[in-house]
Amino acid sequence: EIVLTQSPGTLSLSPGERATLSCRASQSVSSSYLAWYQQKPAQAPRLVIHGASSRATGFPDRFSGSGSGTDFTLTISRLEPEDFAVYYCQQYGSSMYTFGQGTKLEIK
Amino acid sequence: QVQLQESGPGLVKPSETLSLTCTVSGGSISSYSWSWIRQPPGKGLEWIGYLDYSGSTNYNPSLKSRVTISPDTSKNQFSLKLSSVTAADTAVYFCARVFNNYFDPWGQGNLVTVSS
Repeated sequence: EIVLTQSPGTLSLSPGERATLSCRASQSVSSSYLAWYQQKPAQAPRLVIHGASSRATGFPDRFSGSGSGTDFTLTISRLEPEDFAVYYCQQYGSSMYTFGQGTKLEIK
Repeated sequence: QVQLQESGPGLVKPSETLSLTCTVSGGSISSYSWSWIRQPPGKGLEWIGYLDYSGSTNYNPSLKSRVTISPDTSKNQFSLKLSSVTAADTAVYFCARVFNNYFDPWGQGNLVTVSS
C-alpha cells in the first residue's frame, strides 16, 4: 500500500498570501494518478487537480499542481476567502486508492 | 452532468450489516466505474471499494472480507454492503464516479452511526 503524507497538518495564512501544500508518497506514484481534493465543512470533497497538474472544471488558475515521483505540491497563488478548507491528495497504484491525511488551510 | 445521491439507514446495530444505495443520474452506471469512500467524524478519507463498468469489483484489503459492492442496472444504482459492523465503522459514506483513477463527482454523503 502506498502511504501519502501531507504537510503541514495545518497552514494558517491570510487572504492574498500564497499557499504551498505538500504530499509525499512512500513509493513512486504515476503522475497520471495523483489528484487533489478540497473539502469544506459538511460538504463532500471536490476534485481540484487531477493528473498531478490538470485543473478541474470550476477552479481558477490561482490553483496549480506540480511534482512527480514521490513529491507533489498544490499551490494556491493568492488566497481568496473561499479557498480556506481541508485539502487531500489521493493516488492510485497496485489496484488500490489511498488518500493523504489532509492539510487544513485556515485563516490567520 | 452526472449526479450521485446516497440513501440508506442512518443507524445500524453492532454486528449487523450496513446497506447503502447510490442512485446515479445523468449517466449510465454501465458506462463508468464507481466507488464507495468513507470518512469517520473529524477524520480523513478511506477508499472502500470499486465497481467497474463491466461489473467487476476491487476492494480495500483492510475491508475486503466484509464488503460487497454490486450494481442494479435496471435502477441505475449501485449498492454497498458492509457486514459485522462495529463502532469503528461509524462514518459518512460517499459514493463517487471513478474517472481516470480519480473521483469526480461525489455524492453528498450519508452519515451512518453504529450503535445499539
